[in-house]
Amino acid sequence: GAVVSQHPSWVICKSGTSVKIECRSLDFQATTMFWYRQFPKQSLMLMATSNEGSKATYEQGVEKDKFLINHASLTLSTLTVTSAHPEDSSFYICSAADRGRGRDEQFFGPGTRLTVL
Amino acid sequence: AQSVTQPDIHITVSEGASLELRCNYSYGATPYLFWYVQSPGQGLQLLLKYFSGDTLVQGIKGFEAEFKRSQSSFNLRKPSVHWSDAAEYFCAVQGGSEKLVFGKGTKLTVNP
Repeated sequence: GAVVSQHPSWVICKSGTSVKIECRSLDFQATTMFWYRQFPKQSLMLMATSNEGSKATYEQGVEKDKFLINHASLTLSTLTVTSAHPEDSSFYICSAADRGRGRDEQFFGPGTRLTVL
Repeated sequence: AQSVTQPDIHITVSEGASLELRCNYSYGATPYLFWYVQSPGQGLQLLLKYFSGDTLVQGIKGFEAEFKRSQSSFNLRKPSVHWSDAAEYFCAVQGGSEKLVFGKGTKLTVNP
């Protein structure tokens, strides 16, 4: 149980285009989902926390107009990178918290590799 | 705010040798502590977690970790390393909020 999927697993796009990444909890309801960014050989940095049905909470320094997060249902959150540029190239990982398991233990997706040309 | 320090960026061990990865945390109360493993290009897999109770925690793949409050540490250990253990290991702390704060990671190389 507690499986989280991400789609796509990798994406290449041209500079200036927008890219949408999906994060799904497959076998549980995730009232909270988290989006992380990981640069090569570095740790995960939390970008934002999204709660179902409400606006996402962004970490300091993360542009909310550039990284649009939507958490429309208890099993789906999306991250849209708008007007992507090469510096947005990174590994994006989502996680989902299952409140039924106690103190919001997070389950991680496999990640999405974004390359902006 | 909580923080995590993993002092070792890269560790190399021989297959069959024992392993200890260090993790120190900063948090005012007793945090929830986690160790994750990440293979190249992959997401995170939870190895073990500490919430409360017994300070020696058993995890998957033969790993264990010991919570030492006096040292603010949560070191990961394995008695005999296998080549498949080569990966990046992240220690993480969760304080009063839902947020996980990760250390910078330790890359483990296993020599045959």
